[in-house]
Amino acid sequence: QKEVEQNSGPLSVPEGAIASLNCTYSDRVSQSFFWYRQYSGKSPELIMSIYSNGDKEDGRFTAQLNKASQYVSLLIRDSQPSDSATYLCAVNFYGQNFVFGPGTRLSVLP
Amino acid sequence: SQTIHQWPATLVQPVGSPLSLECTVEGTSNPNLYWYRQAAGRGLQLLFYSVGIGQISSEVPQNLSASRPQDRQFILSSKKLLLSDSGFYLCAWGELSSGTSYEQYFGPGTRLTVT
Repeated sequence: QKEVEQNSGPLSVPEGAIASLNCTYSDRVSQSFFWYRQYSGKSPELIMSIYSNGDKEDGRFTAQLNKASQYVSLLIRDSQPSDSATYLCAVNFYGQNFVFGPGTRLSVLP
Repeated sequence: SQTIHQWPATLVQPVGSPLSLECTVEGTSNPNLYWYRQAAGRGLQLLFYSVGIGQISSEVPQNLSASRPQDRQFILSSKKLLLSDSGFYLCAWGELSSGTSYEQYFGPGTRLTVT
């Protein structure tokens, strides 16, 4: 059984701080990794994808991947109240299918 | 650019009634298509995926079925709804992004309440 785990939160950070979201996965042959943001009542929106070890930066977002430790994280710099949402980690284990984690709820306090 | 549509946006149905949810994708051809369900406060559960017309793979045995009558149309159905079928139903399409890796993009979803 392929599994993706995340802390459910809520994770609360003050406005302007760095939010750090973590995800672990169970299968070493995983190929690609994704972070989705989901606002309450809305569908998930893809915000980051990462395929190789190391860091990938896109604006205020940085995804970090460590395949040896089976760990992927998302850092949000200069957090804003509009970043308050649930963040879903997704792993493409093989072929075209994804497994999603349960999500971490982030609350950015003004 | 690609666009994915789902309808209806919300639906309230009695137990035992039939269901039909539709998803269409614009701006791409031969996409991989997916149906997910998200129960309240839960993660995404993959229900079905399709790599082409008439090709459906089921991930979870249940009283739901899926069909792909056209290249960019994906339909989720049930003959008799259960209370446990309530949830947020999401259609997604997959795009090859890097080598053999796919990215998935979601439609706006249908919120189903079975009463």
